[in-house]
Amino acid sequence: RKEVEQDPGPFNVPEGATVAFNCTYSNSASQSFFWYRQDCRKEPKLLMSVYSSGNEDGRFTAQLNRASQYISLLIRDSKLSDSATYLCVVTKNTGGFKTIFGAGTRLFVKA
Amino acid sequence: DTAVSQTPKYLVTQMGNDKSIKCEQNLGHDTMYWYKQDSKKFLKIMFSYNNKELIINETVPNRFSPKSPDKAHLNLHINSLELGDSAVYFCASTPGQPYYTDTQYFGPGTRLTVL
Repeated sequence: RKEVEQDPGPFNVPEGATVAFNCTYSNSASQSFFWYRQDCRKEPKLLMSVYSSGNEDGRFTAQLNRASQYISLLIRDSKLSDSATYLCVVTKNTGGFKTIFGAGTRLFVKA
Repeated sequence: DTAVSQTPKYLVTQMGNDKSIKCEQNLGHDTMYWYKQDSKKFLKIMFSYNNKELIINETVPNRFSPKSPDKAHLNLHINSLELGDSAVYFCASTPGQPYYTDTQYFGPGTRLTVL
């Protein structure tokens, strides 16, 4: 089982739609959680950190469920510019610091 | 102003050759990383340096040798290139020690193709 698993998609949604991505992680000792965004043939960039209390940044909401080892990202009112790959990222500091990236979920928003 | 820069952006070479990729960051960060993103898009850490000292060395063939002449630079030299080395190599940096809460700042990537 991979340490961080995501539905690869692609998700094809119309503009204005709400879309949700899920991510599961296998190591209960994982400590920090992030969503990164990667545009085609570009580098990953931080979208938002994920906190146990949940956090929101404009149209984006991230949730963490430690008991179920599950992270989610909700995008409301999708824009064409949201088309990208969304990477779930988990870090842990047991047996040495390690950052683990999921393979990403591709999103296509169409007009 | 480019925060994390890499050269070259594209690298096409024959099997068996030796090549280097360079990375520089002007963010004043203490820690730098090399990641490999393969064709399946998995991004895997290879190495990490903090203030020129190697602190993370994942299971990577010893044909890959990182070098950090100062904390703003981290280069990657690859000997005897193999087909399986074809990937995009990303350099990244974080402000301090590789604390798990730090945002990673990535360079634009070097797309390596081994023929």
